[in-house]
Amino acid sequence: KAGVTQTPRYLIKTRGQQVTLSCSPISGHRSVSWYQQTPGQGLQFLFEYFSETQRNKGNFPGRFSGRQFSNSRSEMNVSTLELGDSALYLCASRNGTGGSSLTFGAGSRLTVL
Amino acid sequence: GDSVTQMEGPVTLSEEAFLTINCTYTATGYPSLFWYVQYPGEGLQLLLKATKADDKGSNKGFEATYRKETTSFHLEKGSVQVSDSAVYFCALSHTGTASKLTFGTGTRLQVTL
Repeated sequence: KAGVTQTPRYLIKTRGQQVTLSCSPISGHRSVSWYQQTPGQGLQFLFEYFSETQRNKGNFPGRFSGRQFSNSRSEMNVSTLELGDSALYLCASRNGTGGSSLTFGAGSRLTVL
Repeated sequence: GDSVTQMEGPVTLSEEAFLTINCTYTATGYPSLFWYVQYPGEGLQLLLKATKADDKGSNKGFEATYRKETTSFHLEKGSVQVSDSAVYFCALSHTGTASKLTFGTGTRLQVTL
């Protein structure tokens, strides 16, 4: 069974640009969540999508957005990049039922210059 | 709000030594508790979990017991191996928002021969 797949694995952008990251969840998983991991702030929840609807949201500015498609694949977008957006962005999926746990992907490492 | 506190690392142990990584939490109600592990260059892997007081989660020789009275979920292993070297994260979530994990800062474990 394939795991959670994130693309691209590494990318470099400059300040002011925007970036789109992609996540393909485990087959059958309908919930996809995104996390930001930085040395200073640690792991922080960005948002969760379930059946194409945002179900939960963390405390991030509106520059951070996401969406989910009918096949459960998800994208997150960061606009007007800032140096502080440099981070490992982790996607996680679960089947959406009460007792299920998150399975994480390997992450997309974004560097903003 | 919710918070998770882990002991500062790094923790350096010799192979076959006993491991304890302390984790305490602050949260309302009865959260579910988790330990995740992150190996270099990889995403997070669920190590074990417990969903109610006095539950013991266990996996790969690691154990942790949900202690409501002390709001703790300490990770233990009787005999560590070099392959256990990684960063360990304690986390919690609430029923209804199971994808929204609150993480501790992580504890780096280095096991030497």
